[in-house]
Amino acid sequence: GAVVSQHPSWVICKSGTSVKIECRSLDFQATTMFWYRQFPKQSLMLMATSNEGSKATYEQGVEKDKFLINHASLTLSTLTVTSAHPEDSSFYICSANRPGQGGEAFFGQGTRLTVV
Amino acid sequence: GESVGLHLPTLSVQEGDNSIINCAYSNSASDYFIWYKQESGKGPQFIIDIRSNMDKRQGQRVTVLLNKTVKHLSLQIAATQPGDSAVYFCAENLSGNTPLVFGKGTRLSVIA
Repeated sequence: GAVVSQHPSWVICKSGTSVKIECRSLDFQATTMFWYRQFPKQSLMLMATSNEGSKATYEQGVEKDKFLINHASLTLSTLTVTSAHPEDSSFYICSANRPGQGGEAFFGQGTRLTVV
Repeated sequence: GESVGLHLPTLSVQEGDNSIINCAYSNSASDYFIWYKQESGKGPQFIIDIRSNMDKRQGQRVTVLLNKTVKHLSLQIAATQPGDSAVYFCAENLSGNTPLVFGKGTRLSVIA
């Protein structure tokens, strides 16, 4: 079964509104989670690293005030897309590495965001 | 540096044939490599991984080959089936709790 759960799996929102996406690690504690964005027919691009109890680290070109990340517990990270615009429409995916040697990455199911 | 997203190349194979998907990775310091399968509208699904101290690793119907000299990774799928149709991504990882860097992906189409 899934070890990283992402919710919702799809959402449609109006321009100017905000959308929150949740990422939960189900059977391990994740001090770090990663948020990726994937546009159609393209690869996954890292947006930010979510750190439990501290500020997220954003990749170059990703607006931290637009993509708010909160990692308030060891099993939950949230990504909020604020004042969404149609160009924010994309597939958002989170991942977390299982602690220990190897650190296999587990991915959420992804969230399809459509801004109309 | 990170791989840049590009439009996906496509590999078409006949059902029952073997498939070989190639990937060039970017960081010679990477020590962990993974192949993922992604079906439409879903998140990446782990297929097989390999560490940098190995050249080859086999799974069920899949084999991953690593050539560190030329920074090349390949995924071989034996007896390709229609259910193998998907986009395949390679990913590299430095170590520990760091994010994956994904390759550009290859769309595999299986012809019945």
